[in-house]
Amino acid sequence: GNSVTQMEGPVTLSEEAFLTINCTYTATGYPSLFWYVQYPGEGLQLLLKATKADDKGSNKGFEATYRKETTSFHLEKGSVQVSDSAVYFCALTTQTGANNLFFGTGTRLTVIP
Amino acid sequence: KAGVTQTPRYLIKTRGQQVTLSCSPISGHRSVSWYQQTPGQGLQFLFEYFSETQRNKGNFPGRFSGRQFSNSRSEMNVSTLELGDSALYLCASSFLGGGSGNEQFFGPGTRLTVL
Repeated sequence: GNSVTQMEGPVTLSEEAFLTINCTYTATGYPSLFWYVQYPGEGLQLLLKATKADDKGSNKGFEATYRKETTSFHLEKGSVQVSDSAVYFCALTTQTGANNLFFGTGTRLTVIP
Repeated sequence: KAGVTQTPRYLIKTRGQQVTLSCSPISGHRSVSWYQQTPGQGLQFLFEYFSETQRNKGNFPGRFSGRQFSNSRSEMNVSTLELGDSALYLCASSFLGGGSGNEQFFGPGTRLTVL
């Protein structure tokens, strides 16, 4: 089946610290991988994506590399800001032609000044 | 371009009632998907509609149903509400009907509370 396992939170970091949120997956076929972010009181926003092995998705200083050999898609940012405080979700879709996303449990990040 | 809109934003119902939630996708998008978000189960896929046809369905009981209109607007209905249906219901639209890497745009959600 399809599933996403995400690093348990919450994560609290000081401003300018390095961020890693681990994400591993199990999928039938060859999935596309996503990171979504949810700010308080809002819906989900796509942060970045990767559609094939060794692809690196990047946006707003965040990066994640699609590692097929380790079935992972870890999110990283070199220097976090207070405004990055949010819940981060790793997700996948498969190549079945359907639009259903399989989500991880989410990781709450709090960045303190 | 306006984003995905969902109405109402908040809803309070009692057990046994039914509820209808509405979603208007981004103009030009033909696919609408619905998700349920709860603290215990996280984000779970409910169903997807494309060109007025349900294309895919998650593992939810028949009390959860939906439809899509010719203008791509979608509604989901929950009948005989249970306490466990309390959740944030998110709608997402996309231009394409599926396929690898297709981006979905999410609305702000409808917060349903069942008393």
